[in-house]
Amino acid sequence: DIQMTQSPSSLSASVGDRVTITCRASQGISNYLAWFQQKPGKAPKSLIYAASSLQSGVPSKFSGSGSGTDFTLTISSLQPEDFATYYCQQYNSYPWTFGQGTKVEIK
Amino acid sequence: EVQLVESGGGLVQPGGSLRLSCAASGFTFSSYEMNWVRQAPGKGLEWVSYISSSGSTIYYADSVKGRFTISRDNAKNSLYLQMNSLRAEDTAVYYCVVGEETPYWGQGTLVTVSS
Repeated sequence: DIQMTQSPSSLSASVGDRVTITCRASQGISNYLAWFQQKPGKAPKSLIYAASSLQSGVPSKFSGSGSGTDFTLTISSLQPEDFATYYCQQYNSYPWTFGQGTKVEIK
Repeated sequence: EVQLVESGGGLVQPGGSLRLSCAASGFTFSSYEMNWVRQAPGKGLEWVSYISSSGSTIYYADSVKGRFTISRDNAKNSLYLQMNSLRAEDTAVYYCVVGEETPYWGQGTLVTVSS
């Protein structure tokens, strides 16, 4: 199975900050990497697919990059509605595997 | 509009069984692969099972292999997860998911395994 390692597991940031979350795959997954945002009590929401493609309707403050084993999610200017938990997921092969999550909290 | 509505969750004793359903609408269900993903309370996301559009190819996570059975009824636009020999560690919200690059998730159904 491909292991996905996310860092950090949590971070505190202020409104307007630029935030970067990283995700590392235990083996190469090309660009088969997605990012999700999840708020308490809600289903995950897809933000990014194919490592860097923005889902329809997702604001451009979210961006993704990387290929192979190393990936990043960047939020360019954190807003109150962005405080949530973020997950990476590889869909290169089954079993799908997810990072352990990064909780973004208000400083 | 794509809609996935899970049902069938509830409280069950260890060793018991439950059958989850996922009613799909807004897309051609018979053309799409489907997955179940779960999330234990306060924990991360865990993929559970996959079924191809025809039902001919199925995968399971090692944690549920031999206990859970995924199936689908394309005539009824429905996905199922038969869960047997349930354990406390199966307690989670179970989501059905369609799509890979543009995934849609249901709202989830909570399964609680406890005596």
